Amino acid sequence: DAGVIQSPRHEVTEMGQEVTLRCKPISGHDYLFWYRQTMMRGLELLIYFNNNVPIDDSGMPEDRFSAKMPNASFSTLKIQPSEPRDSAVYFCASSFRDTNTGELFFGEGSRLTVL
Amino acid sequence: LAKTTQPISMDSYEGQEVNITCSHNNIATNDYITWYQQFPSQGPRFIIQGYKTKVTNEVASLFIPADRKSSTLSLPRVSLSDTAVYYCLVGDIGTGGSYIPTFGRGTSLIVHP
Repeated sequence: DAGVIQSPRHEVTEMGQEVTLRCKPISGHDYLFWYRQTMMRGLELLIYFNNNVPIDDSGMPEDRFSAKMPNASFSTLKIQPSEPRDSAVYFCASSFRDTNTGELFFGEGSRLTVL
Repeated sequence: LAKTTQPISMDSYEGQEVNITCSHNNIATNDYITWYQQFPSQGPRFIIQGYKTKVTNEVASLFIPADRKSSTLSLPRVSLSDTAVYYCLVGDIGTGGSYIPTFGRGTSLIVHP
């Protein structure tokens, strides 16, 4: 298996632009998570899905952030408009068991820089 | 209130055993304890998980006392490649009662030659 695949690996954009991050979970996994990592705040859970349905989005910072999972093999995290404080590494992870006992498999992350 | 508390950093030398302790005083009855390892520029990677007593795999051991208010990750005979950040996780309850895997700030382990 190729593991969790994220794209792009690096993104540099200017403030106000729309950013779309993409994730392909491991086949057969029915949980998908989006995390954000910064030096200041560490790893924060933004949102997670179960069977393509958003279960908890309490970590989504504000309305500028949105996430979708149109099918079991694809998810997007969109930021519109982007701001410099959104600069971070965004990780996608998937799991095939429940969130308490399930092992999270992480992608390599998308490093976002907003100028 | 933080779910977990770990030392910010630790230093060790090659060949030594390293023990990293995590406090989780408010752990819930059905919470599992999970440890992850993260190298620079990579996503976290699962190391080990346990509920009580002792769990051992090919990478590490996890010791959990009876009250489950803490846990200790033990890395036998570390090498330079074990230099990484180690996270202890217990869950959190989000909106609507959903269970959220929550990462703390982790312990930065540096292994010296």
